[in-house]
Amino acid sequence: KQEVTQIPAALSVPEGENLVLNCSFTDSAIYNLQWFRQDPGKGLTSLLLIQSSQREQTSGRLNASLDKSSGRSTLYIAASQPGDSATYLCAVSGVQTGANNLFFGTGTRLTVIP
Amino acid sequence: DAGVIQSPRHEVTEMGQEVTLRCKPISGHDYLFWYRQTMMRGLELLIYFNNNVPIDDSGMPEDRFSAKMPNASFSTLKIQPSEPRDSAVYFCASSLGTSSLANEKLFFGSGTQLSVL
Repeated sequence: KQEVTQIPAALSVPEGENLVLNCSFTDSAIYNLQWFRQDPGKGLTSLLLIQSSQREQTSGRLNASLDKSSGRSTLYIAASQPGDSATYLCAVSGVQTGANNLFFGTGTRLTVIP
Repeated sequence: DAGVIQSPRHEVTEMGQEVTLRCKPISGHDYLFWYRQTMMRGLELLIYFNNNVPIDDSGMPEDRFSAKMPNASFSTLKIQPSEPRDSAVYFCASSLGTSSLANEKLFFGSGTQLSVL
């Protein structure tokens, strides 16, 4: 069964700092990897989706990379802002378990201090 | 579009009672998913539908859980009888269902916070 791990579990940084969130997964046979943001009491918002054939995706200040062979992904946030404070989750869909069965990590809770 | 709509936002009930959670997916989306989120286990897929047909319910924890999708714009997740260990946030999500399996973004509702006393 696919296992997804996110390190660190929590991260606190001063405003303006660049930061990296990490995600690792055990089965490299994936369809895609997604990064989500979850605000307290809210649902998840999809930030970036990287297909298995891609190496990275960018959206504004966010850049996600994928190294499928090593089972790793990183989410880079440039010039962090207090509004970036949230929990960030990564999720993968595997060839063995089907494209529609996403396995989620437990998330990294980010706090950006003004 | 208003996004995925779930109701109620909060539900408090007593052990043994029946609980029904409701979801309206984004119009035009062919796939609907029910997830459960707890501190201990994180987010887990319970069941998903394609064109109103249940495809994979292997994540449904027990026979006390059932889900239906009578039409393309409505789904329910029912727990009968409810137990304290069912307390969690239940999310509904939908996706478009394109020909490319590698490019499916998932859109989540705001969730139902269920507390079983």
